[in-house]
Amino acid sequence: AQTIHQWPVAEIKAVGSPLSLGCTIKGKSSPNLYWYWQATGGTLQQLFYSITVGQVESVVQLNLSASRPKDDQFILSTEKLLLSHSGFYLCAWSPGQGSYEQYFGPGTRLTVL
Amino acid sequence: AQKVTQTQTSISVVEKTTVTMDCVYETRDSSYFLFWYKQTASGEIVFLIRQDSYKKENATVGHYSLNFQKPKSSIGLIITATQIEDSAVYFCAMREDGNEKITFGAGTKLTIKP
Repeated sequence: AQTIHQWPVAEIKAVGSPLSLGCTIKGKSSPNLYWYWQATGGTLQQLFYSITVGQVESVVQLNLSASRPKDDQFILSTEKLLLSHSGFYLCAWSPGQGSYEQYFGPGTRLTVL
Repeated sequence: AQKVTQTQTSISVVEKTTVTMDCVYETRDSSYFLFWYKQTASGEIVFLIRQDSYKKENATVGHYSLNFQKPKSSIGLIITATQIEDSAVYFCAMREDGNEKITFGAGTKLTIKP
């Protein structure tokens, strides 16, 4: 069975500080990977997706970047946090190849002060 | 550009009844995929059901089924025999074929009362 793990569970950070959020998928080789952001009470906004190692596509510009250093790992980061970065960050994976439904991780709650 | 609209902000029904949640979408593609997800109070998001645009038959999974009306660009979610644990926020989403961009609707909060 596939499992998806996100770290950390929650973060409280200062404006202007750096951030790194991680996501690991086990039990599935070459998954499609996605990062989403959700404001409190809001919808899911897709940020990035990756079909293969080393390749990441940006969907929206929010002063964030993403990388996929390994087949099973997806990293979201920024060098300088803004207040608007606060929210719930979710990583998801999809089998691809005709299976397009997504499976989400538990998420990371980020508070920027 | 693709767009997904859920106009029902919240719905409240009594346990064991049937509820329908609405979703309309916009796309220029002739091939696309529609999804419904559920987000619980803990934040967990679960995939429920999917409809492929080329399929005429409405998808059904357990007590979830879809009402796909392609001419109206509508994909309603029907939950039968609702249970307290069905209380959650339900999101409709769309993906165009060949495009990894997924668009979600605003969500509908469902409350099941005993």
